Amino acid sequence: NAGVTQTPKFQVLKTGQSMTLQCAQDMNHNSMYWYRQDPGMGLRLIYYSASEGTTDKGEVPNGYNVSRLNKREFSLRLESAAPSQTSVYFCASNPGQGLSNQPQHFGDGTRLSIL
Amino acid sequence: GEDVEQSLFLSVREGDSSVINCTYTDSSSTYLYWYKQEPGAGLQLLTYIFSNMDMKQDQRLTVLLNKKDKHLSLRIADTQTGDSAIYFCAESPLTSGTYKYIFGTGTRLKVLA
Repeated sequence: NAGVTQTPKFQVLKTGQSMTLQCAQDMNHNSMYWYRQDPGMGLRLIYYSASEGTTDKGEVPNGYNVSRLNKREFSLRLESAAPSQTSVYFCASNPGQGLSNQPQHFGDGTRLSIL
Repeated sequence: GEDVEQSLFLSVREGDSSVINCTYTDSSSTYLYWYKQEPGAGLQLLTYIFSNMDMKQDQRLTVLLNKKDKHLSLRIADTQTGDSAIYFCAESPLTSGTYKYIFGTGTRLKVLA
């Protein structure tokens, strides 16, 4: 049971570099989410996707873009990385449509450091 | 405003009970959740409670909900070293016809052998 799979698990970037964080779920869930986790701040929603082909901004979208490639995959892109984007990034999914109140299932995270 | 508050740290001895507390702000939340995060891992759903319930018990876990005070607690009986982790409380208020999912800052539970 893979659930939600994120790649890579760790990444170090230089300021200004770009990269894409990958996320895939095998639970046939409609909705997918990207969060960042920073010390003392809980999880903050970056973007979410209610269904294939739709994406919407969350609480902290600036500096990020997303793509819902198909029902399984939801990627997060940093076009020009900044030190303030050093964080742990989590992808999550749930069967609901959009921002539903159903329990979310999380990947193990990508630990991203930007120098 | 929307905020979910938790204390940052809790330390207990192995075999004792742990009680992790949380206060939330929005009474429209239909579900309230507890997640567990072990080092290097994502958040794992532990349990959740419907807002029309006062208590839910699941093996060693007991969730208590006080809607009047908007207070949620998670009690872990017979706490083991494997329970050492960060515990997140979350609410899902209905705002403008859609749900938000708001996490607390997490409580780091340390279990002493």
